[in-house]
Amino acid sequence: DAGVIQSPRHEVTEMGQEVTLRCKPISGHNSLFWYRQTMMRGLELLIYFNNNVPIDDSGMPEDRFSAKMPNASFSTLKIQPSEPRDSAVYFCASSRLPPPRPDTQYFGPGTRLTVL
Amino acid sequence: TQLLEQSPQFLSIQEGENLTVYCNSSSVFSSLQWYRQEPGEGPVLLVTVVTGGEVKKLKRLTFQFGDARKDSSLHITAAQPGDTGLYLCAGPFTDSWGKFQFGAGTQVVVTP
Repeated sequence: DAGVIQSPRHEVTEMGQEVTLRCKPISGHNSLFWYRQTMMRGLELLIYFNNNVPIDDSGMPEDRFSAKMPNASFSTLKIQPSEPRDSAVYFCASSRLPPPRPDTQYFGPGTRLTVL
Repeated sequence: TQLLEQSPQFLSIQEGENLTVYCNSSSVFSSLQWYRQEPGEGPVLLVTVVTGGEVKKLKRLTFQFGDARKDSSLHITAAQPGDTGLYLCAGPFTDSWGKFQFGAGTQVVVTP
């Protein structure tokens, strides 16, 4: 199995530009999570999908952030317009079962976003 | 609000020494998980504990879930440089279905 695939691995952009991060979850997994990791705030859950439906987006920081999951094998996280404080590593993770049932979340390698 | 507090924030030890890291909360969790994250990679699950008082062993790593399911510990015996990484505990919220929270993590550095 290829694991969770994220692209790009690194993104450098200028303030005000639109950024789109992509994720392909593990085949057969029904839950998908987007996280953001910074030194200051650690690993934060942004949004969670179950069966392609957004369940909880209360972690999305602002309206500039949006996420979609058009099908079971693809999700995007978009930031428009981007700001320097959005600089972080963004992780996508997938699992077979939704919380609160304990299950393994498989994380992708992350996208390191730098907004200048 | 359920918060997971991890301590210490940073731990540097010599190869062969033992170490313990802690994950505490004032709230009850139905389960807790421990992940290890290495630089440039995503976290990788080490173990899930679900029963109060449960002890699980993974080679030189011993995980314990508190009787009241509010805390957990990870003990590493005879640490090796390969144990270096960021150790994160995580648990599902009970008051918000689907929400999952991670602690801030303990950075462990094991030097040869």
